[in-house]
Amino acid sequence: GDSVTQMEGPVTLSEEAFLTINCTYTATGYPSLFWYVQYPGEGLQLLLKATKADDKGSNKGFEATYRKETTSFHLEKGSVQVSDSAVYFCALRVYNQGGKLIFGQGTELSVKP
Amino acid sequence: DVKVTQSSRYLVKRTGEKVFLECVQDMDHENMFWYRQDPGLGLRLIYFSYDVKMKEKGDIPEGYSVSREKKERFSLILESASTNQTSMYLCASGRGNQPQHFGDGTRLSIL
Repeated sequence: GDSVTQMEGPVTLSEEAFLTINCTYTATGYPSLFWYVQYPGEGLQLLLKATKADDKGSNKGFEATYRKETTSFHLEKGSVQVSDSAVYFCALRVYNQGGKLIFGQGTELSVKP
Repeated sequence: DVKVTQSSRYLVKRTGEKVFLECVQDMDHENMFWYRQDPGLGLRLIYFSYDVKMKEKGDIPEGYSVSREKKERFSLILESASTNQTSMYLCASGRGNQPQHFGDGTRLSIL
């Protein structure tokens, strides 16, 4: 069945470091891909999305490119800030099942000053 | 802005109780979802609904039921709460293939 696998956390970085959080997926059809972010004590917020191969989603300095050949959607940011500390979830929207999402297990990011 | 409101942020109940978690959205979305979030497991879909009075089982429906009598409200019911249902519960809503919007979650403890 469809699934999403993320790199395990926690990830601890110093401020201004480069961030990569790996995400790979298995899916039938042509899924859309998402990154959601969860700040402490809050629900999930959409960070960025890509709906077809080679699309690049971007928001708040974060980027991810939909790579069909490697079935990946890795999240990157060139210079992280303390305020980026959160849990990041990669997700895919199941093809032809309305809005149903399948999530990865989440990756906790901690950025130190 | 879309608002998805969950009735409680924190809830403590006892084993065997019937528990209701309420979710209301204000954007006339047809799709609504209930997830549970557990460390290391991410979010897992319990139930979802595409329309009033319609419901579909997600990946882990056992021990849960849902009710959608009005378009804006989607209730999750734990028929007889058990300790393994202690978790964070997240409600979401969306329209068509647009991204889902999430509530702030209910942290439920079953003693």
